[in-house]
Amino acid sequence: AQSVTQLGSHVSVSEGALVLLRCNYSSSVPPYLFWYVQYPNQGLQLLLKYTTGATLVKGINGFEAEFKKSETSFHLTKPSAHMSDAAEYFCAVPQYSSASKIIFGSGTRLSIRP
Amino acid sequence: GAGVSQSPRYKVAKRGQDVALRCDPISGHVSLFWYQQALGQGPEFLTYFQNEAQLDKSGLPSDRFFAERPEGSVSTLKIQRTQQEDSAVYLCASGSSYEQYFGPGTRLTVT
Repeated sequence: AQSVTQLGSHVSVSEGALVLLRCNYSSSVPPYLFWYVQYPNQGLQLLLKYTTGATLVKGINGFEAEFKKSETSFHLTKPSAHMSDAAEYFCAVPQYSSASKIIFGSGTRLSIRP
Repeated sequence: GAGVSQSPRYKVAKRGQDVALRCDPISGHVSLFWYQQALGQGPEFLTYFQNEAQLDKSGLPSDRFFAERPEGSVSTLKIQRTQQEDSAVYLCASGSSYEQYFGPGTRLTVT
């Protein structure tokens, strides 16, 4: 069964600094990988989606993620953090056994220091 | 167009009460999903509909949980005899298997 692991439940960076949120998937190469963002008291919004092909994926709000098969990773980055980026971020993968199911990581809360 | 909407946004129930949570998907989306998100956790899959057919209910935690989508549009998640461990945010999503659009969720608190 597919799974994802997010390292670090809380990350704090200064405004303008690099954002790096880590995600590793289980050993089977998934057909898709996702990053979602959740602002307080709101639903999940898709940031970006990896599909087989290009390994560097660009998303909304200046975020991007790189798929690295050798490291089984799909880390999320943004060159310069903005105060509005403060939110919870979830890495996710569809479940092979049932295409309907999406498996989410436990989430990383991103805080931005002024 | 309108996104996924859910009602109520907040629900407080006394232990043992039944609750019903509603989801209005994006018009035309045949797939509808329910997830449960406990505090500080990622969402966990509950059940999935394609039109009115419930194709996967493997995530429903007990037989107290029941979901329906009788006309292939609006869906209702019902929880009978609520317990404290049912306290969570219940998220609804519509779309395809690989791109799901989420509603704002219903925060259920069981006291």
